[in-house]
Amino acid sequence: DTEVTQTPKHLVMGMTNKKSLKCEQHMGHRAMYWYKQKAKKPPELMFVYSYEKLSINESVPSRFSPECPNSSLLNLHLHALQPEDSALYLCASSHRDRVLGETQYFGPGTRLLVL
Amino acid sequence: AQKITQTQPGMFVQEKEAVTLDCTYDTSDQSYGLFWYKQPSSGEMIFLIYQGSYDEQNATEGRYSLNFQKARKSANLVISASQLGDSAMYFCAMSLISNFGNEKLTFGTGTRLTIIP
Repeated sequence: DTEVTQTPKHLVMGMTNKKSLKCEQHMGHRAMYWYKQKAKKPPELMFVYSYEKLSINESVPSRFSPECPNSSLLNLHLHALQPEDSALYLCASSHRDRVLGETQYFGPGTRLLVL
Repeated sequence: AQKITQTQPGMFVQEKEAVTLDCTYDTSDQSYGLFWYKQPSSGEMIFLIYQGSYDEQNATEGRYSLNFQKARKSANLVISASQLGDSAMYFCAMSLISNFGNEKLTFGTGTRLTIIP
């Protein structure tokens, strides 16, 4: 089972709203990731958590705030977003495997529209 | 720094034909992994196949195979007997392999594959 789930599937928010994206995996993976993907572009890494600790922050604006409450859950808190933050937000998880290296498995994504 | 190049922005292929999606990479590291992902219009990134830099045999997974030519730094994806459901965006990606984990994935710009009935 290589399932990563994300909620909600779609989100529309105003620039003054506060919302959260949620990601969950039950594969025992030690690393979890947030990506942002604009239309017709590859995903861009935002944050990496390893063993529930933030290990990589790709200079993301502070209006995006990640949180890893436990080894299965990853949240992305959104506050005071701009219209240009509208994108597909993908969550992924990974672990080191002898055959498949550090393969990342992605969730279905949350399509965010900021008005 | 790593770089992935996919030179085919779009491809049209007749159903049931084989298709090769090109990918070249650039890195000075010796330990790395190469990945192919499929992204349908629904948005989910689906892992297809993996090749480690030290793997001597080309990876295969069902109808997918990875044509790994290390000296040329290429990692082309071959899809045999294409199906309508193969229509999607395909991304080639690589990451370094280290003892620390959390290696970043570097993506190419993608190839949009359309299968024609």
